Amino acid sequence: GENVGLHLPTLSVQEGDNSIINCAYSNSASDYFIWYKQESGKGPQFIIDIRSNMDKRQGQRVTVLLNKTVKHLSLQIAATQPGDSAVYFCAENKSNDYKLSFGAGTTVTVRA
Amino acid sequence: NAGVMQNPRHLVRRRGQEARLRCSPMKGHSHVYWYRQLPEEGLKFMVYLQKENIIDESGMPKERFSAEFPKEGPSILRIQQVVRGDSAAYFCASSPFPGQISGNTIYFGEGSWLTVV
Repeated sequence: GENVGLHLPTLSVQEGDNSIINCAYSNSASDYFIWYKQESGKGPQFIIDIRSNMDKRQGQRVTVLLNKTVKHLSLQIAATQPGDSAVYFCAENKSNDYKLSFGAGTTVTVRA
Repeated sequence: NAGVMQNPRHLVRRRGQEARLRCSPMKGHSHVYWYRQLPEEGLKFMVYLQKENIIDESGMPKERFSAEFPKEGPSILRIQQVVRGDSAAYFCASSPFPGQISGNTIYFGEGSWLTVV
């Protein structure tokens, strides 16, 4: 499953399929990006990050892609599991800044 | 090693009352950040504090909101004369270093959910 365009608030994906969550960031000066997972009633949980000198970074079952030309970020989750159901946020940051700017989030629902 | 601890987790206040939200950072962390999350939205930066100092409160409403991080004890976010629009989740985060942060050095608490009735 994939959400396309600037941002769609929900994504429904079949268990076992790959998920792609997209994010358009706003500040061309941002050079550090983080994906967070937020389960219901909990705080944001770090998933993976990427700096602007890279265009791809892989973790365990997750990959982040960065396209600075169009200010676009994506999170790919391989073999989506029920435990992946959550809201996913991208956050952007500038060097030597302590503030994170969060996007509105995408709700991912995994169908059994 | 306990994470960032926030309390209360849920708080209900009537309009006009005061809300006090507490945050104990991770052990060894002396930098605290408060974020607010309105329903169906992402987190928005409110304030950055170090022990006994407010470094940046640019994201905090000018009236009714205040924050402190005393030498001893937790950081407190105080909202006076609450209104319905203050209903939100308030998250505290902490880090061990000033300045640039990273996903591996800033940790969020579980949040305090404020409901104003």
